[in-house]
Amino acid sequence: GENVEQHPSTLSVQEGDSAVIKCTYSDSASNYFPWYKQELGKRPQLIIDIRSNVGEKKDQRIAVTLNKTAKHFSLHITETQPEDSAVYFCAASSANTGNQFYFGTGTSLTVIP
Amino acid sequence: IAGITQAPTSQILAAGRRMTLRCTQDMRHNAMYWYRQDLGLGLRLIHYSNTAGTTGKGEVPDGYSVSRANTDDFPLTLASAVPSQTSVYFCASSHTSGYNEQFFGPGTRLTVL
Repeated sequence: GENVEQHPSTLSVQEGDSAVIKCTYSDSASNYFPWYKQELGKRPQLIIDIRSNVGEKKDQRIAVTLNKTAKHFSLHITETQPEDSAVYFCAASSANTGNQFYFGTGTSLTVIP
Repeated sequence: IAGITQAPTSQILAAGRRMTLRCTQDMRHNAMYWYRQDLGLGLRLIHYSNTAGTTGKGEVPDGYSVSRANTDDFPLTLASAVPSQTSVYFCASSHTSGYNEQFFGPGTRLTVL
């Protein structure tokens, strides 16, 4: 099945700086890559997603890039704010695995005011 | 009901006991999922259902069973709980499987002693 690796596991940045989280996947047929944010004690919520037919997608301060050749994708958060502090999960989905999501192990982001 | 709900919120259970975690959604989503979340391991898929009347196995199905008698409900049963099943369990749903946002329930914290 699919194997998704996520790095780093923890990340601390100063408020206003950028944060980058990287994921790699193993199944070259994977074609959908969502990112979820989970605040402490809350449920995961989708923040951005990208399909394999585009290389980049942006939504205000959040962007995701995809390199299909290298089989990796990244989340970029610019101008970080304290409310960005959370655990972020990447995921990959492939028809080979019944279109189910395989999640990375998460990145705990702390934005220091 | 608005969205997706889970019950109970938390439960302490003796090993060997049977337990059913409940999940209900009112969004008329076709697909539903059960994940477990463990520190350092991210979200792992236990079972899924792409439509009422069908179910499938995820990454970690052993010791768990599910049923999908109708669109709204997707209960998860632990036939004979073991301490390694101590975890936070999230139910999720999506319009269909694949390129679709999965909406998560609030989670059930289960402790097996």
